[in-house]
Amino acid sequence: EIVMTQSPATLSVSPGERATLSCRASQSVRSNLAWYQQKPGQAPRLLIYGASTRATGIPARFSGSGSGTEFTLTISSLQSEDSALYYCQQYNNWPPYTFGQGTKLEIK
Amino acid sequence: EVQLVESGGGLVQPGGSLRLSCVASGFTFGTYWMHWVRQVPGKGLIWVSRIDSDGSATSYADSVRGRFTISRDNAKNTLYLEMNSLRAEDTAVYYCARDEPFHAFDIWGQGTGVTVSS
Repeated sequence: EIVMTQSPATLSVSPGERATLSCRASQSVRSNLAWYQQKPGQAPRLLIYGASTRATGIPARFSGSGSGTEFTLTISSLQSEDSALYYCQQYNNWPPYTFGQGTKLEIK
Repeated sequence: EVQLVESGGGLVQPGGSLRLSCVASGFTFGTYWMHWVRQVPGKGLIWVSRIDSDGSATSYADSVRGRFTISRDNAKNTLYLEMNSLRAEDTAVYYCARDEPFHAFDIWGQGTGVTVSS
């Protein structure tokens, strides 16, 4: 089973600043990596797939990078509505499909 | 509008059974793999099960294999999760999700809550 590790657990950033979230896979997942955003009481929402491709309707301030075992989600020019939990997920080696434990992004 | 709507959750005693449903609309359901993912309140996302587009192949997490069964009825645009021998640790919100090839899980339902308790 591929273990996905996200860091930091919590990130606090001021509006208008940039947030950088990290995700590490225990073995290579190539570019088969997705990022999801989840707000309280809501279902997860796909942000990024293929490590770097924004899903339909996702603002350009969200960007993804990386391949193999190291991945980054960058949110430039943070807005208040970006406060949420963010999960990475690998879909290269399954079953199981595995998620990171999440990063909580707080807007100062 | 592309949509997934789950139902069937509720309170069940340990050892009991429950069947979850997920009705799809706005897309050609029978051409997509589908998944169930669960989340204990306040915790992370855990993949539970997958079924391919015609129902001929399934996969399960080790924690549910032998107790849960995923199935689908493409004529009714509906995905199911039959849950037997339920345990307290199965308590969670259960989401169904669409699998767009190489696009990960692109559409999610709103979730249905399952509580296993005496």
